[in-house]
Amino acid sequence: SYELTQPLSVSVALGQTARITCGGNNIGSKNVHWYQQKPGQAPVLVIYRDTNRPSGIPERFSGSNSGNTATLTISRAQAGDEADYYCQVWDSSTVFGGGTKLTVL
Amino acid sequence: QLQLQESGPGLVKPSETLSLTCTVSGGSISSSGHYWGWIRQPPGQGLECIGTIYYSGSTYYNPSLKSRVTISVDTSKNQFSLKLTSVTAADTAVYYCARQTLYQLLPNWFDPWGQGTLVTVSS
Repeated sequence: SYELTQPLSVSVALGQTARITCGGNNIGSKNVHWYQQKPGQAPVLVIYRDTNRPSGIPERFSGSNSGNTATLTISRAQAGDEADYYCQVWDSSTVFGGGTKLTVL
Repeated sequence: QLQLQESGPGLVKPSETLSLTCTVSGGSISSSGHYWGWIRQPPGQGLECIGTIYYSGSTYYNPSLKSRVTISVDTSKNQFSLKLTSVTAADTAVYYCARQTLYQLLPNWFDPWGQGTLVTVSS
């Protein structure tokens, strides 16, 4: 079965740029989606189809996908961006990455 | 706007069947561009997709859970449901329902999600 690999944690200084990776075999050929989950809340879609932002998601959130790595980039990180982030693809069934905890210092 | 709400028992005994329902409001479950999915999250762990269903009844299940899972849809009530048999403590989790958008004829991203409901498996 297809596997997605994410770092357990990423730290970023306030106002700097955070990059969260999602690794998978030839993931660049798939559509990657990203979710933000804050404690006690349901996940929220922040990027779909690699690079698209749903309405209401700040432009600071962006995505890319090539080769074996997809990346979620959060520019000008804010304290409110602290959360768990999950990548997701479809490969015969829905697959989620293990999640990355983002800490804003 | 579209909203989803999970409902069902919060406590299930080991070896019994977990049953949950998701009620969709603000839109039709018979929408041609969407599947409807169940996702779970054990305490302190990551997300796992259980399965997803189209309004016609077509389903995709997580291979690791397929033998114990049934997802069904009731278009007259704008609801879809989950049954998970022979539960153990490992099935203790927050269970979410969510709409899954079709892209290139395949289920893709989930949006929006229900608030989730905690189901504990314990005697």
